[in-house]
Amino acid sequence: QVTLKESGPVLVKPTETLTLTCTVSGFSLSNARMGVSWIRQPPGKALEWLAHIFSNDEKSYSTSLKSRLTISKDTSKSQVVLTMTNMDPVDTATYYCARIGVYANAFDIWGQGTMVTVSS
Amino acid sequence: EIVMTQSPVTVSVSPGERVTLSCRASQSVSRSLAWYQQKLGQAPRLLIYGATTRAAGTPARFSGSGSGTEFTLTISSLQSEDFAVYYCQHYSNGPPYTFGQGTTLEIK
Repeated sequence: QVTLKESGPVLVKPTETLTLTCTVSGFSLSNARMGVSWIRQPPGKALEWLAHIFSNDEKSYSTSLKSRLTISKDTSKSQVVLTMTNMDPVDTATYYCARIGVYANAFDIWGQGTMVTVSS
Repeated sequence: EIVMTQSPVTVSVSPGERVTLSCRASQSVSRSLAWYQQKLGQAPRLLIYGATTRAAGTPARFSGSGSGTEFTLTISSLQSEDFAVYYCQHYSNGPPYTFGQGTTLEIK
C-alpha cells in the first residue's frame, strides 16, 4: 500500500523557518517514474503548488515562493523535506505532500495534510 | 506560468441531475490536465488525468473532455457523495503544476 504522511510543527512564529517532512511507504523515491511535490491550502482557499523533487534529485519551485523554499530528499529514509524561511501569518495553511507516480504527471496519492499556523 | 481558471465558482444542483464544470488554461496544455475532488476536511483525490482518463476507482459517471485550453468535467447523475470542491490542474511540460481556484458543487 502506497502512503505519504506529513509531519512537522503545528505552530511557528513569524520570521521563523518551517521544516516539514513527508515520509513515504510502498514505493521508492529512487524509482524513475516517481516524484513528490509539496502543495498547500490556506483555510477556505484553493490549492497552491509549492515545490517538486524528481527521482534524479532535480528540483523545481513555485516562482513566487522560490526564494524561501528548499526541497530535498533522503532516499534511504524514504523522506522528502521542505523548508520555508521567514514564515508569515499568510503562510497559515494545510500542507500536503503528494506523489507523481503512475498517472502521467498527475498527483495520484496524497498525504493527509498537516495544518501549520503562523502566529506569535 | 500557466494560469488555470475554473467556472463557475459555485454551482447548486439536485441529486440525480447532470452537471458540467469548466476549466480554462491561459495557454495550451495539450491533454496534460487532471481533475481532483476534495471533500471537507480531506485531502484531494485524483479523478481524471490526461484530460479524459479515469483514475482507478473513479466511477463511470465522471467523464472528462477537452484539449488545448478548454476542458470540462461532467458528472452524469449526481450522487450525494459527489458534493465537494473540484480542482483542475495542468502538468504540461513539467512544473510549475498550477491548480485552478476550484468549483464548489452544492446540493440544491
